[in-house]
Amino acid sequence: EAGVTQFPSHSVIEKGQTVTLRCDPISGHDNLYWYRRVMGKEIKFLLHFVKESKQDESGMPNNRFLAERTGGTYSTLKVQPAELEDSGVYFCASSQVGGRTGVETQYFGPGTRLLVL
Amino acid sequence: QKEVEQNSGPLSVPEGAIASLNCTYSDRVSQSFFWYRQYSGKSPELIMSIYSNGDKEDGRFTAQLNKASQYVSLLIRDSQPSDSATYLCALGFQKLVFGTGTRLLVSP
Repeated sequence: EAGVTQFPSHSVIEKGQTVTLRCDPISGHDNLYWYRRVMGKEIKFLLHFVKESKQDESGMPNNRFLAERTGGTYSTLKVQPAELEDSGVYFCASSQVGGRTGVETQYFGPGTRLLVL
Repeated sequence: QKEVEQNSGPLSVPEGAIASLNCTYSDRVSQSFFWYRQYSGKSPELIMSIYSNGDKEDGRFTAQLNKASQYVSLLIRDSQPSDSATYLCALGFQKLVFGTGTRLLVSP
């Protein structure tokens, strides 16, 4: 079974440009999450989709970030315009609630390393 | 105060020793706790989850949870050089809150 995939693996852009990150979750996983790790800091939650609906977007830093999950499959995270402080590693994770126990395991993708110059 | 506190390390142990990784947290209502392992440049990989007080063992790994003292720990027995990685403590349901991670170095 394929894991969570993310594209691109690396992106270097200039301040003011637009970047779109893509995440393909594990097939069948309704939950999709975006996280970000800024250098030297902890991984921080950005938002959570259940299928195509945004369940929780409390971690989105500002309105320069737009996440979509049309059709409830893959998701995109667009940063427009990018600022220097947006540099970091953007992780995507997916999960499916585990049956009777309700236990949920989030599987992470390899991340997209974004550098804004 | 950070929500999840971990010593950044590095924690250095010789091969075959027990590595003890600790994590404290501030949110008293948290019910789910996780340990992720992350090799450099790779994705975080879940190695243990624990939901109730006490110990949970899985192979060489033991997670310990003490909700009254608000700490969770991970013990790695018979440490191997391949265990060298950053270990991330996380808690929460769906919206995970992470610590900064502890770097473990296991020397041959």
